[in-house]
Amino acid sequence: DTEVTQTPKHLVMGMTNKKSLKCEQHMGHRAMYWYKQKAKKPPELMFVYSYEKLSINESVPSRFSPECPNSSLLNLHLHALQPEDSALYLCASSPHPLGGRDNEQFFGPGTRLTVL
Amino acid sequence: AQSVTQLDSQVPVFEEAPVELRCNYSSSVSVYLFWYVQYPNQGLQLLLKYLSGSTLVKGINGFEAEFNKSQTSFHLRKPSVHISDTAEYFCAVTINFNKFYFGSGTKLNVKP
Repeated sequence: DTEVTQTPKHLVMGMTNKKSLKCEQHMGHRAMYWYKQKAKKPPELMFVYSYEKLSINESVPSRFSPECPNSSLLNLHLHALQPEDSALYLCASSPHPLGGRDNEQFFGPGTRLTVL
Repeated sequence: AQSVTQLDSQVPVFEEAPVELRCNYSSSVSVYLFWYVQYPNQGLQLLLKYLSGSTLVKGINGFEAEFNKSQTSFHLRKPSVHISDTAEYFCAVTINFNKFYFGSGTKLNVKP
């Protein structure tokens, strides 16, 4: 299984809602990532988890709360989002948290989020 | 810090014609270079990567790229494109395989 799955594919939420995005991989990877991609822009790194611990937070607002319950699962909890947070949220995983030349990132298909 | 520049935001080309998508990078240390493709409403798929060795790298779907250290470039080429190659292409750089820096992307539009 060389796939990263993300659910849901699409999500529409109001600014007062609480929702969660889910990412799963069964490749035994120990690093997992959240990216945000606005329309016609490149992906921007949000968070990196290494061995289930948060290792990088790219100054992301606290209305985004990541969680890594186990080595296969990565969640992104959303609360009190703004319309400008509407974007494609991509999850990725890679074998080694400490880097290394075979540490290719595998991307999921993304969740398209719309905040009304 | 590292940065990646993709000068062409859009490249229109006719089917079966050759194409080159340009990528230049900036870094004070050695880097590793990647090209990803993103089809509409999908995630990123790795096309090819340069780690070391031969400067000409071959990837999937008939694409290849050439690493030019003196020009700090990593241009992507395909000798004959298909309609199915229509997608967004991203060049990316990393020095440690933990943080990847992406270019702004090039939209390849293959016309019949």
